[in-house]
Formats: sequence, C-alpha cells, structure tokens
Amino acid sequence: NAGVMQNPRHLVRRRGQEARLRCSPMKGHSHVYWYRQLPEEGLKFMVYLQKENIIDESGMPKERFSAEFPKEGPSILRIQQVVRGDSAAYFCASSAGTDPGYTFGSGTRLTVV
Amino acid sequence: QKEVEQNSGPLSVPEGAIASLNCTYSDRGSQSFFWYRQYSGKSPELIMFIYSNGDKEDGRFTAQLNKASQYVSLLIRDSQPSDSATYLCAVNQARGSTLGRLYFGRGTQLTVWP
Repeated sequence: NAGVMQNPRHLVRRRGQEARLRCSPMKGHSHVYWYRQLPEEGLKFMVYLQKENIIDESGMPKERFSAEFPKEGPSILRIQQVVRGDSAAYFCASSAGTDPGYTFGSGTRLTVV
Repeated sequence: QKEVEQNSGPLSVPEGAIASLNCTYSDRGSQSFFWYRQYSGKSPELIMFIYSNGDKEDGRFTAQLNKASQYVSLLIRDSQPSDSATYLCAVNQARGSTLGRLYFGRGTQLTVWP
C-alpha cells in the first residue's frame, strides 16, 4: 500500500500564477481532507471531499481556492492568482471513514515569490 | 467556534524522564481524541487515539481522557531523544471512527535531551 501520495513535494509560483496540488488517497479510502499549515501554527482544516462531492468546505477561503475529487484520478486543490500569504505546507489526508484518525500525505510546500 | 488548546511549550525533559502533554477542548460534543506526532518538515503521524474516559496505554505512551473536565493528555514514559517532535492534539465529533474534520491544537514542541 503506497500510502497517501501528494505531488509535487515542493512548488514555487510567482504572484498571480495558479497552483495545483494533487492528492491520491490510500487504496480503499474514499474520504479526502485538505489542511494547511503555516509556520509555527497548527493544522487548519480547508475542505472534506468524497468522490464527486464536497462534503464540508467551511475552511476554504471564499475566493481563489477550489477543490475537487473526481470519480477517476486524484483530488486536486487549486489556488488561483496566488499571493505571498498562500505560502504554506498543504497536507492531504485520507480515511476509510471507519478507522480512527487520518493518514496524512507527505505534503506540498508551496512558496509564492 | 470549536477550540483546542495545548500548552505552548516548548517542553524540555531529560532522557528517561516522563513527558506530560496537555490539551483542553471547548466542544462538549467531541467524542474522539487523537494525538499526532510531527517531526520538523514532515507530516503528522497518528500515535494514539482514545474514545472513553480513563487511561489508554500503548507501549511507552499513555493517553488520558476526562470528558467532564474536557481535558486530554499524553504521557510519554522513558522519553528518548527520538521523541523530540511537535505533538498535536486533535478532536472529532464522530465516535469510534473519524468522519468529518479534525480540530487541531497548535501543538506542543517537545525536546528530549541526552
């Protein structure tokens, strides 16, 4: 079992560009979560998805951010027109819904220059 | 707003000592409680979970839960330098599984010195 796979590991974008972060959940997991972690801060929830459905997006900024988990392929977190404040580590986690806790991916470190 | 508070640390203990990490939460509807360990530059790793009041032991780790006081703690016995990391407390409203968002504290940084 390959675990939760995130790519890229590191992503550098200039202000105003788009960032696309990908997450493939563990085999058998249909629940995907995205969290953001700023330096010296805890994990902040962004969005919870199941296949083709957004279940809870209460942590997503209202503008520029979107997420999807299509029937086929990885979950995508998309950030349009990035600003320096978007620089952070973005973690994806998955679960089967019946297990305790989540399994986190290794994260994508986004740097906006 | 559901809050999870942890003692900010940093916490520094000598090798072989007991490290005690504390966490309080605001939502009385919380049912499941988790401790994650995060090494610098790495992703969080689940090390303990607890659902019922009392103690739960797993090797050198003991989680303690008191729902009446809305308090959960993690004890690490015989601390090792390899335990040096940030420990994140998290809570969830589902019982016996994890559905929906986890609410995380900001974490407590632990250093175990030889």
